[in-house]
Amino acid sequence: NAGVTQTPKFQVLKTGQSMTLQCAQDMNHNSMYWYRQDPGMGLRLIYYSASEGTTDKGEVPNGYNVSRLNKREFSLRLESAAPSQTSVYFCASSARQGMYTGELFFGEGSRLTVL
Amino acid sequence: SQQGEEDPQALSIQEGENATMNCSYKTSINNLQWYRQNSGRGLVHLILIRSNEREKHSGRLRVTLDTSKKSSSLLITASRAADTASYFCATDRGMGSRLTFGEGTQLTVNP
Repeated sequence: NAGVTQTPKFQVLKTGQSMTLQCAQDMNHNSMYWYRQDPGMGLRLIYYSASEGTTDKGEVPNGYNVSRLNKREFSLRLESAAPSQTSVYFCASSARQGMYTGELFFGEGSRLTVL
Repeated sequence: SQQGEEDPQALSIQEGENATMNCSYKTSINNLQWYRQNSGRGLVHLILIRSNEREKHSGRLRVTLDTSKKSSSLLITASRAADTASYFCATDRGMGSRLTFGEGTQLTVNP
């Protein structure tokens, strides 16, 4: 039972390079999320997708784009990486309960360093 | 800005002692959740308490919610070294599909 799978686990980029973080869940969840975690800042929501075909900005969307490819997959793209995007990125999913968020299931994280 | 704020930021106790972590938030919520994160790992859900509930138990965990004070506490009884982790509260304001996390409490349980 894989749950939420993120790739890659580690990545080093140079400023200006682009990359895509991949996320897939096998729990048939409607909602998926991308968070970033920085020391002393907790987790901050970048983008989320309440259901297949929809995406919305979270708290810190600048510099990122997302694609909800299908119900299973939600990718995060950095078009032109900056050192400020050095962080640990977490994908999560949840079974939507009407207007309310239930339990989130997290991946193991993708550690990104931008030089 | 973060909706939830945990207190203390760090807590160090001896094995067998109880650990209490607090979370305060600013706006009305539908539910509040607690998560645990071991070093270098993803977050794991511990417990969810709804706004109309005051207390909830799960094994050695006890969560309370005081909506009048906009605060919650997580109590871990008879702590073990394996409880060493960061603990986060997260609030759901029922505005769609967002969950807002606090900055976490780093708990260290010394054997």
